[in-house]
Amino acid sequence: AQKITQTQPGMFVQEKEAVTLDCTYDTSDPSYGLFWYKQPSSGEMIFLIYQGSYDQQNATEGRYSLNFQKARKSANLVISASQLGDSAMYFCAMRNTGGFKTIFGAGTRLFVKA
Amino acid sequence: NAGVTQTPKFQVLKTGQSMTLQCAQDMNHEYMSWYRQDPGMGLRLIHYSVGAGITDQGEVPNGYNVSRSTTEDFPLRLLSAAPSQTSVYFCASSSTSWGTGELFFGEGSRLTVL
Repeated sequence: AQKITQTQPGMFVQEKEAVTLDCTYDTSDPSYGLFWYKQPSSGEMIFLIYQGSYDQQNATEGRYSLNFQKARKSANLVISASQLGDSAMYFCAMRNTGGFKTIFGAGTRLFVKA
Repeated sequence: NAGVTQTPKFQVLKTGQSMTLQCAQDMNHEYMSWYRQDPGMGLRLIHYSVGAGITDQGEVPNGYNVSRSTTEDFPLRLLSAAPSQTSVYFCASSSTSWGTGELFFGEGSRLTVL
């Protein structure tokens, strides 16, 4: 069975500093994709970054990078140079390539302090 | 660009009433899904579909029915609403044949069952 675990219910970070949001996953499928989504207080879901299980390099998208450690089954999101607008809920998600269904973790609420 | 459209955005029901949450997408996505979001529990998958005529259960399917008669539409039916179904519901779709498979979300539907 697939499972996503986010162990940090809430985190604080100072503006302009980097922050790491943790995500571990469990799956028996060899082929899968890992995603991070952002949910601001307005409620919409925003796709941030994707990592395929066979990708050799860690994914990066602007200030977002995904620290993918396959052996440890972790897919942590790193946000560099935090901004006040980064204050939001962040969800880690996994999709197995064969079945397509996507499951989510419980989320981490990030607070960026000025 | 309409993307994924959910209706209604807000609904109040009495216990035992039935209703349908509508979801439509105009991106020709094969995959469509319904999630519910509850505080501290992230997004939990209710039902999903990988194409017209094909549906499957997710993590929390009890109390909900779905059907997929067209590629565009994926309605979620509550046959006899219960207070435990008070939640925010998201419809999401993705391609299964190109791109990373990230989900495109509707704006959400807030349901209250009294």
